[in-house]
Amino acid sequence: EPEVTQTPSHQVTQMGQEVILRCVPISNHLYFYWYRQILGQKVEFLVSFYNNEISEKSEIFDDQFSVERPDGSNFTLKIRSTKLEDSAMYFCASSEVLASFFGPGTRLTVL
Amino acid sequence: AQKITQTQPGMFVQEKEAVTLDCTYDTSDPSYGLFWYKQPSSGEMIFLIYQGSYDQQNATEGRYSLNFQKARKSANLVISASQLGDSAMYFCAMIGNPESGAGSYQLTFGKGTKLSVIP
Repeated sequence: EPEVTQTPSHQVTQMGQEVILRCVPISNHLYFYWYRQILGQKVEFLVSFYNNEISEKSEIFDDQFSVERPDGSNFTLKIRSTKLEDSAMYFCASSEVLASFFGPGTRLTVL
Repeated sequence: AQKITQTQPGMFVQEKEAVTLDCTYDTSDPSYGLFWYKQPSSGEMIFLIYQGSYDQQNATEGRYSLNFQKARKSANLVISASQLGDSAMYFCAMIGNPESGAGSYQLTFGKGTKLSVIP
């Protein structure tokens, strides 16, 4: 059964460093998303991507964040200068239409 | 704006019994979709069930059913014959205007309910 994959599973970085989180969505899906979940809290929407451009973004998704689909399979989230409060689980998701399927997440720890 | 409320931070259920997890929602969208996701302790988010606001019948998927009461704006998840593997966090979520063909169907999540199944 096709699934969304994410790498790395865990990323530790120093405050101020850039990180790139990688995702491979399900191949025939058209909509791609990034969400984050701070430990013990609810899942929050960051950004959606459709037809090779951002379609929606939340207020969390500020200038420090960017997304790319550099080729036909990968979907990346870049945080330019990480802050302590960026520590969270980051989920990539994709959907053919309505139901989103999530990857296993990348746990980002900012020290 | 959309809002999901899950008022039960934690629930216990005896193995093989049924359990209902509550979810109420608020939205100004004329149509919307409601979802339930399961998050085991390993952290992944697993899609369980979907209900469209114009669907005439309540959604069912195996042991999961969604008790959709539109007038009350509630979309409770019912798990029948609970199993130990059902112990997890359960999140209710929604999207707006699923028929719009918009470039995004981002989910708004509730805070979740932690379900513990007791042997």
